[in-house]
Amino acid sequence: AQSVTQLGSHVSVSEGALVLLRCNYSSSVPPYLFWYVQYPNQGLQLLLKYTSAATLVKGINGFEAEFKKSETSFHLTKPSAHMSDAAEYFCAVSKGSGGSYIPTFGRGTSLIVHP
Amino acid sequence: DADVTQTPRNRITKTGKRIMLECSQTKGHDRMYWYRQDPGLGLRLIYYSFDVKDINKGEISDGYSVSRQAQAKFSLSLESAIPNQTALYFCATSDTTNTEAFFGQGTRLTVV
Repeated sequence: AQSVTQLGSHVSVSEGALVLLRCNYSSSVPPYLFWYVQYPNQGLQLLLKYTSAATLVKGINGFEAEFKKSETSFHLTKPSAHMSDAAEYFCAVSKGSGGSYIPTFGRGTSLIVHP
Repeated sequence: DADVTQTPRNRITKTGKRIMLECSQTKGHDRMYWYRQDPGLGLRLIYYSFDVKDINKGEISDGYSVSRQAQAKFSLSLESAIPNQTALYFCATSDTTNTEAFFGQGTRLTVV
């Protein structure tokens, strides 16, 4: 079964500090991988996606993620946190056979940014 | 206007009542999904549809049913609502070549 595991339900950082949100996937074949962000009272929106091109993927708002096949990881980073980054972040994988790609989500990590 | 629109945005209903959540999209995508979000559990798939004639159960379909009225419309029904169906429900769409999902704003459902 295809799944993703997000380590840490909550991550707390100070404004200006490095943000690191962890995601590992379980699969024998590199899938499509995504990070989504959910701001309060809103739906999810795409931050970035990996689709087997460059392993370092740059997204919106200064976020990036690196696909590491040897570690089956796709961790999300941002060099310097802003207060506006406080939100829920979801790692997701989309893989299937015969075109049956189904988006499957991790449990989410809540990012808290302190002044 | 939003590409994926869910109605209602908020709903309180009583145990045993039938309720329908509606989703419409203007993205022209064939694939539509219903998820529920619960704190600490992330998003779990209820049902999905790859086209108007294709409906599939997700991991937590018990107690729910769906209808794909048209390419643009995908409704979720709770035939007899129960309190543990209190959650935030999301509709999403995707196309067959770009697997990114596009989400509605969500429906917050409370069953009392």
